Amino acid sequence: GQQVMQIPQYQHVQEGEDFTTYCNSSTTLSNIQWYKQRPGGHPVFLIQLVKSGEVKKQKRLTFQFGEAKKNSSLHITATQTTDVGTYFCAGPLSGNQFYFGTGTSLTVIP
Amino acid sequence: DAGVTQSPTHLIKTRGQQVTLRCSPKSGHDTVSWYQQALGQGPQFIFQYYEEEERQRGNFPDRFSGHQFPNYSSELNVNALLLGDSALYLCASSLGAGARTDTQYFGPGTRLTVL
Repeated sequence: GQQVMQIPQYQHVQEGEDFTTYCNSSTTLSNIQWYKQRPGGHPVFLIQLVKSGEVKKQKRLTFQFGEAKKNSSLHITATQTTDVGTYFCAGPLSGNQFYFGTGTSLTVIP
Repeated sequence: DAGVTQSPTHLIKTRGQQVTLRCSPKSGHDTVSWYQQALGQGPQFIFQYYEEEERQRGNFPDRFSGHQFPNYSSELNVNALLLGDSALYLCASSLGAGARTDTQYFGPGTRLTVL
């Protein structure tokens, strides 16, 4: 079936280290969105990528959409404790259904 | 500018009961999607409402039903509750017919516990 997988499932980093999460879809995506969910909170929209090979930056966060539009990545440079949370990618795989990835839980050790 | 609101915040029910959750979309938005998020998992799409009609449905049984009102607010109803229905139920609003390219704004969610 249609799936959106993310790796790793968990990541512990020392504050100041970099962090990357990868998202892979079983099918081509028209667009991909990234969300951050803090513990006990709800998903908060970060960014949307639409074009093949697109790269977008938000301060220390860099988002990339693969050439085949089936994979994406989120890279955080010099992590801070405020980066703690679970990062989800999501995209429309079937009609208007949004499929969320399995998520990557980031822990930042001060 | 009000964001997405949901009520109630928390709810405890017993097996077999019925529950209704409510959502008011972000101002200016006309599309509401509902998601179920089990503990430790990503949100799972339940269905989407636009122009008071269900436009798309995920892999959920008919026990899950919904409604959208003329003011774009929405309800999610779950009948014959099962223990496995315990989850965080999220409402997301967006603009336009469908969410293929639109940003979704999530509400704080309703935490449902089924005993």
